[in-house]
Amino acid sequence: QVQLQESGPGLVKPSETLSLTCTVSGASIRSYYWSWIRQPPGKGLEWIGNIYYGGSTNYNPSLKSRVTISVDTSMNQISLKLSSVTAADTAVYYCARGTYGGDYWGQGTLVTVSS
Amino acid sequence: EIVLTQSPGTLSLSPGERVTLSCRASQSLSSTYLAWYQQKPVQAPRLLIYGASGRATGIPDRFSGSGSGTDFTLTISRLEPEDFAVYYCQQYGSSPYTFGQGTKLEIK
Repeated sequence: QVQLQESGPGLVKPSETLSLTCTVSGASIRSYYWSWIRQPPGKGLEWIGNIYYGGSTNYNPSLKSRVTISVDTSMNQISLKLSSVTAADTAVYYCARGTYGGDYWGQGTLVTVSS
Repeated sequence: EIVLTQSPGTLSLSPGERVTLSCRASQSLSSTYLAWYQQKPVQAPRLLIYGASGRATGIPDRFSGSGSGTDFTLTISRLEPEDFAVYYCQQYGSSPYTFGQGTKLEIK
């Protein structure tokens, strides 16, 4: 059974870098694209970007200058880094299997940006 | 960027009723790269429909999707109590892959 689990700090200070990891079990990182999606509290969904295991990435232009998505095939993990965060980056962050989201999602992790 | 507009924003219905949710795109989608998700409170979205009309694994056949071009619909033929949730459409034909703002289905 495919499972995704996000992890990382729940609180990040303004102007710092948000760093999250998604650990995948039940599927090989090498076989699929993987996406990050976020959802501010009480609001809708925003696709952040995706990655293929070879390193090919595609980012949302609205975040492109601040986002890095990477993959660690040895750990079967995908990582998200978002720099220079502000309160507007407070959201539940999800990782998901697929180029756009798709059939398997993690439970999500809430990241709050606050001093 | 393709903007998806969902209507209505909120629907109040009773179990057993039939419902059709709408998702309209600001420009025609290449092929039928449109998905529908269901999201319940404090849960991740659940994929219902992909490719505009393909039912995801394990999704009951009371859920169906249709449409092409700029107009898409999700139909629930007979509402069950567990179907009351927020529904999102998403286009994945043109990056960035955008979501609609959601339609909330609430119990009347």
